[in-house]
Amino acid sequence: GALVYQYPRRTICKSGTSMRMECQAVGFQATSVAWYRQSPQKTFELIALSTVNSAIKYEQNFTQEKFPISHPNLSFSSMTVLNAYLEDRGLYLCGLGLGVSYEQYFGPGTRLTVL
Amino acid sequence: QQQVRQSPQSLTVWEGETAILNCSYENSAFDYFPWYQQFPGEGPALLIAIRSVSDKKEDGRFTIFFNKREKKLSLHITDSQPGDSATYFCAAQGGSAKLIFGEGTKLTVSS
Repeated sequence: GALVYQYPRRTICKSGTSMRMECQAVGFQATSVAWYRQSPQKTFELIALSTVNSAIKYEQNFTQEKFPISHPNLSFSSMTVLNAYLEDRGLYLCGLGLGVSYEQYFGPGTRLTVL
Repeated sequence: QQQVRQSPQSLTVWEGETAILNCSYENSAFDYFPWYQQFPGEGPALLIAIRSVSDKKEDGRFTIFFNKREKKLSLHITDSQPGDSATYFCAAQGGSAKLIFGEGTKLTVSS
């Protein structure tokens, strides 16, 4: 499988503050980047997706204004959660696609706790 | 609308038994179905996957059975081990990089 690195693994922020998380492909160039949020109440919520041939596309209920994403190259992506509140808590997962079929490999996630 | 459904929500089997996890989907355009295994505190790991042109995919103790007509698939874990205890997610993809996940089946293997 493909190795995906995410940083930080855990973070705690005060309500109303922001935090940035990173995703790095190790040893390969991703053909797609997807950010998900996993919470106990909902399974995997897709936040946004981009491929080598398309711009970043946000899913319903998620906006660039709230979750700005930077994707400067095929091996790295970062996402910021702006003005985090309790409902933003969860495990943020980065899924990197491999090959033309976009077979997705996930990092360990960044667990966000909001106080 | 949940496009990918999994059952049961939780499953307990004895060590050595075969665990059967079910998945169904709505969209006929889906043609790739990966299963992910997730342990607490970790990200999901790609376990095994099947494309709609096949009806069976085997990898060691893990086998996917796929029924395109009924839009159903199942993951069979033979000779279940306590280390297989995890949550298993069925996902579906079709024509794009977008992956749709089911809600997961939590498997417990008792020894």
